Amino acid sequence: GENVEQHPSTLSVQEGDSAVIKCTYSDSASNYFPWYKQELGKRPQLIIDIRSNVGEKKDQRIAVTLNKTAKHFSLHITETQPEDSAVYFCAATRGNEKLTFGTGTRLTIIP
Amino acid sequence: DSGVTQTPKHLITATGQRVTLRCSPRSGDLSVYWYQQSLDQGLQFLIQYYNGEERAKGNILERFSAQQFPDLHSELNLSSLELGDSALYFCASSVMGDSPLHFGNGTRLTVT
Repeated sequence: GENVEQHPSTLSVQEGDSAVIKCTYSDSASNYFPWYKQELGKRPQLIIDIRSNVGEKKDQRIAVTLNKTAKHFSLHITETQPEDSAVYFCAATRGNEKLTFGTGTRLTIIP
Repeated sequence: DSGVTQTPKHLITATGQRVTLRCSPRSGDLSVYWYQQSLDQGLQFLIQYYNGEERAKGNILERFSAQQFPDLHSELNLSSLELGDSALYFCASSVMGDSPLHFGNGTRLTVT
């Protein structure tokens, strides 16, 4: 089955700086890679996703890049704000297989 | 609002008891997942159903069981509860595996 590794487990950045979270996956057939944000005590929410036929996708201050050859994908958050503080999870899957999540990154934005 | 409804929101019970958590998926979603999240931990996958059939199973304890009904709602049954079962239990649904997964607000279970 799919295995997803996520790094770092914790990340602190100054407000206004950029944050990068990286994930690697094991199944070369995986074709869907979403990212979820979970605030304390709340449900995980999808913030951006990418499919294997695309190398990069942007949505305002958030971007995701995918390197199929190396089997890794990354979340980039620019101009970070205090409300970006949360736990972020990456995930990967293919077809109708279950979504496999990474272990999460706790992002703290320092004012 | 994700469209996924979980009940109850909170549940407090004693060790040794049995509880049932309920989930109604988003309209049109055929796949239902259950996750367990202990304090400051990641999302522990329990089980997935697709259109009424069990699709994948994670590290779900034998004391736990689940099912998806013909109307696609799902129930997670937890029995012989232990203190360590205290956690946030999320249900999530999607159209298929490689489509966005939408989470409910969770059921917070406290075992005393």
